[in-house]
Amino acid sequence: NAGVTQTPKFRVLKTGQSMTLLCAQDMNHEYMYWYRQDPGMGLRLIHYSVGEGTTAKGEVPDGYNVSRLKKQNFLLGLESAAPSQTSVYFCASSSSGNQPQHFGDGTRLSIL
Amino acid sequence: SQQGEEDPQALSIQEGENATMNCSYKTSINNLQWYRQNSGRGLVHLILIRSNEREKHSGRLRVTLDTSKKSSSLLITASRAADTASYFCATVLQSNSGYALNFGKGTSLLVTP
Repeated sequence: NAGVTQTPKFRVLKTGQSMTLLCAQDMNHEYMYWYRQDPGMGLRLIHYSVGEGTTAKGEVPDGYNVSRLKKQNFLLGLESAAPSQTSVYFCASSSSGNQPQHFGDGTRLSIL
Repeated sequence: SQQGEEDPQALSIQEGENATMNCSYKTSINNLQWYRQNSGRGLVHLILIRSNEREKHSGRLRVTLDTSKKSSSLLITASRAADTASYFCATVLQSNSGYALNFGKGTSLLVTP
């Protein structure tokens, strides 16, 4: 089993460009999450989904949008990238909200 | 917002020694989870301890939970160089709208041969 797969692994953008990060899980999990990890800040939740067709805001949702059209996929979009969005982005999934989360290996995003 | 806070921020030990990391939190929890993150990789779940449990073991890992002190500890016995990683505690809170999992900022563990 692949678990949680994130694409791409690395990306460099210019300010104002847009892009979509893709997360796919093969564990039939209902819950999916997007986090960002910055030095000294730990993991911060951007958006999450409790099932296909649902999304909700996390701690730091501004500047990001998400979609969960299929149960196995959770997309994170940056409409107009800003240098403050330079970070490592992690996707995770879980069977329910209080169960362990399974993480992908991250997308390293730099915005110049 | 981070509910759990790990202590110490960084820990350096030699192979064979035990490593202890602590996590403190502020409000009542449903459960507490510990994760490991190797450099350049995603987090990996280690142990989940429920609020009505006091101690759990998994191999060389021992986790304790003291809900009266709102604290947890992770003990790694007979450490190995491969244990070098960052370790995070995550508290799971329950509310009317569901569950929320909050990560601390982590303890960076270095195990030297």
